[in-house]
Amino acid sequence: KAGVTQTPRYLIKTRGQQVTLSCSPISGHRSVSWYQQTPGQGLQFLFEYFSETQRNKGNFPGRFSGRQFSNSRSEMNVSTLELGDSALYLCASSPTGTGGSDTQYFGPGTRLTVL
Amino acid sequence: AQSVTQPDIHITVSEGASLELRCNYSYGATPYLFWYVQSPGQGLQLLLKYFSGDTLVQGIKGFEAEFKRSQSSFNLRKPSVHWSDAAEYFCAVGPKGGTASKLTFGTGTRLQVTL
Repeated sequence: KAGVTQTPRYLIKTRGQQVTLSCSPISGHRSVSWYQQTPGQGLQFLFEYFSETQRNKGNFPGRFSGRQFSNSRSEMNVSTLELGDSALYLCASSPTGTGGSDTQYFGPGTRLTVL
Repeated sequence: AQSVTQPDIHITVSEGASLELRCNYSYGATPYLFWYVQSPGQGLQLLLKYFSGDTLVQGIKGFEAEFKRSQSSFNLRKPSVHWSDAAEYFCAVGPKGGTASKLTFGTGTRLQVTL
């Protein structure tokens, strides 16, 4: 079974631009979560989508948004990029995101650099 | 609010030596507990998890962890470290009774292995 895939792997943008990152979960997984990883703040939860609905949200400004499609693929969007948005963005999928046996599996990440 | 503390930012061990990485959590009840490993430029790989039952859990690559409720700890151990174990290790907690997708991570411990 293929793992979580993220595209693109690397991205360079300039301040003020917007960016869209894509995540394809493991086949059969319906929950997709996004995390931001920076040296200063570590790994922080952005949001989670399940059945095309945002189910959980972290403490990030409204410039960060996402969506999920009917095939469970997910995208996240960051508008009006700031230098501080430079980070590794990780996507994780799990079957349902609930219950004792659910586990998140992570993709390789998208490295975003904002100049 | 839940939190995870990994007191050791950086640990160096010799190949063949034993390893223990510390993790303490703060949470109102027993959470779901995880250890992930991240190699440079890669995503997170699940090493092991604890949901309930036996407090000593076995994971991949010869790792194990012990949940100690009285100490709010979930330390990761390996009897004999291999050079390929050099990576960054993250302890994480997920809320029991809710969506396990919203993980809270520690700041990580970087493991260096000397030959």
